[in-house]
Amino acid sequence: DQQVKQNSPSLSVQEGRISILNCDYTNSMFDYFLWYKKYPAEGPTFLISISSIKDKNEDGRFTVFLNKSAKHLSLHIVPSQPGDSAVYFCAADWSGSARQLTFGSGTQLTVLP
Amino acid sequence: GAVVSQHPSRVICKSGTSVKIECRSLDFQATTMFWYRQFPKQSLMLMATSNEGSKATYEQGVEKDKFLINHASLTLSTLTVTSAHPEDSSFYICSARDLGTADAQYFGPGTRLTVT
Repeated sequence: DQQVKQNSPSLSVQEGRISILNCDYTNSMFDYFLWYKKYPAEGPTFLISISSIKDKNEDGRFTVFLNKSAKHLSLHIVPSQPGDSAVYFCAADWSGSARQLTFGSGTQLTVLP
Repeated sequence: GAVVSQHPSRVICKSGTSVKIECRSLDFQATTMFWYRQFPKQSLMLMATSNEGSKATYEQGVEKDKFLINHASLTLSTLTVTSAHPEDSSFYICSARDLGTADAQYFGPGTRLTVT
């Protein structure tokens, strides 16, 4: 049973445009959400996070939106750059889990020059 | 930011041998470290949670006798793949939770294990 789902395995976007990566979750216990970026043969790199008490968090070109009623979050990258091409993982956490993250399956983002 | 290292980054071993992978938090203390496994084009699968000074907690389906985890200090956890088989070939990644900032885990660069 996948508790965190990223239904789009891949996404292609033109450089300079907006990239929108989506993530859905089923476990209402999750209260913290994170996005990680991963290049091949490297460990994930933390990008941005959001607590369930917020509906938006922004950091530079990256913004995460959380819709708790829909159990949906999204990562917006504006403007997209070729260096953003990577696999993006959505992860969820809850305070009772000893910080065991539950990951989505990832979305391969390709930013075309 | 916090740095987590893994050693080795890449290892090739023969079937039946054992391989040890080290995970170190370089500039912070981590009471909890996590070990993940990633198959090609698949998500990160949590294998076990490693707690300093106590036994690791393994996820369902992960053989604790095959994947030995030791968390001897606040900065070091090791994963030993015992009697490795070709199906154990994978990308193993550790992460560490910073005691000071519990809002994110910091990941190591990963170890590519190939069992021939």
